[in-house]
Amino acid sequence: AQSVTQPDIHITVSEGASLELRCNYSYGATPYLFWYVQSPGQGLQLLLKYFSGDTLVQGIKGFEAEFKRSQSSFNLRKPSVHWSDAAEYFCAVGSYDKVIFGPGTSLSVIP
Amino acid sequence: DSGVTQTPKHLITATGQRVTLRCSPRSGDLSVYWYQQSLDQGLQFLIHYYNGEERAKGNILERFSAQQFPDLHSELNLSSLELGDSALYFCASSGGWRGSDTQYFGPGTRLTVL
Repeated sequence: AQSVTQPDIHITVSEGASLELRCNYSYGATPYLFWYVQSPGQGLQLLLKYFSGDTLVQGIKGFEAEFKRSQSSFNLRKPSVHWSDAAEYFCAVGSYDKVIFGPGTSLSVIP
Repeated sequence: DSGVTQTPKHLITATGQRVTLRCSPRSGDLSVYWYQQSLDQGLQFLIHYYNGEERAKGNILERFSAQQFPDLHSELNLSSLELGDSALYFCASSGGWRGSDTQYFGPGTRLTVL
């Protein structure tokens, strides 16, 4: 069965520092991988997605993610965090006809 | 604004009651997904409808049911409510039915069961 783990429940970074959020998945075939962001009081918004091809994927708001098949990982990165990036981040894996979300990582940004 | 609307925004009710949550997908989208988000369970997939037909089921309780109407809006019915049903309920829509499709989320309905 497919599953998604996000090892870090909560991360705090200083504004301007780099960020990496970890995601590991379990799926038998080549997965569809997503990162979504949820700002306080709002629904989820897609940051980026990977289906095939280049393993480094660019998304909105300056985020990128790298697919590493050998490690079953799809980590999200940003070189310089802004205070407005404080939110909940969800990694997700899509199979044939549904998407399973990870537990989320809460990001706090210190000014 | 994702284009997905959900009503009501907030709902407060008592245990044992029944409520209906409504979702209107983005214009042109044929799929509607329902999710439950709570502090202890995270974001749980409940059910997926595509063009009026049930497509996939997740961790949906028997007390819960959903349907998608010919105009593609969807309703999630929750009955015999328990305190543990208090959560944020999201719907999302997508153009197709595959797991590769981007889902667009509504703002959610916050359900409080007292």
